[in-house]
Amino acid sequence: NAGVTQTPKFRILKIGQSMTLQCAQDMNHNYMYWYRQDPGMGLKLIYYSVGAGITDKGEVPNGYNVSRSTTEDFPLRLELAAPSQTSVYFCATLRDESRTDTQYFGPGTRLTVL
Amino acid sequence: KQEVTQIPAALSVPEGENLVLNCSFTDSAIYNLQWFRQDPGKGLTSLLLIQSSQREQTSGRLNASLDKSSGRSTLYIAASQPGDSATYLCAVRPGFGNEKLTFGTGTRLTIIP
Repeated sequence: NAGVTQTPKFRILKIGQSMTLQCAQDMNHNYMYWYRQDPGMGLKLIYYSVGAGITDKGEVPNGYNVSRSTTEDFPLRLELAAPSQTSVYFCATLRDESRTDTQYFGPGTRLTVL
Repeated sequence: KQEVTQIPAALSVPEGENLVLNCSFTDSAIYNLQWFRQDPGKGLTSLLLIQSSQREQTSGRLNASLDKSSGRSTLYIAASQPGDSATYLCAVRPGFGNEKLTFGTGTRLTIIP
């Protein structure tokens, strides 16, 4: 089991460029999440999905888009990169079949927008 | 809106000491509370999950407590080791059917050998 994988690990973008952050899981979890973590801050939820074909906005969705065509993949799209999107992005999954289920996190993608 | 606070933001203690990390939340209507560990440049790893009906959970040298009425949780680490150095975050889940977590800003812990 690879768990939750994210690519790329690092990326530098110029203002106005676009990119897609990839997230994949092999645990067959229904729920998937995208968070961003700014220095010294907690995690802020960008978007989440409760299953293939279903997505919803989190706390900070502006400037981002997502899709969920399969259970395994949940890509995050940045259309017009801005310096305010410089952050570390984490993908997470959740099975949620038990009261003790917890979220599993990927290793993160460190994005710098210059 | 739920707000989760962790104070202090950073803590340094000598190896071997027992220590307590604090987490407070503004809305006591929670489903569960979790403590996560984050190593530099890595993702989060779940340490302990306390359900709303529980008072505490233990795993090895770690003990987490929950007092919903006062909106507080603590993570107790016994006999600290240099390998415990990391950032510790708490997160609350609002309710059944709501799978979104609200995270605190974390406490960066350094254990001094």
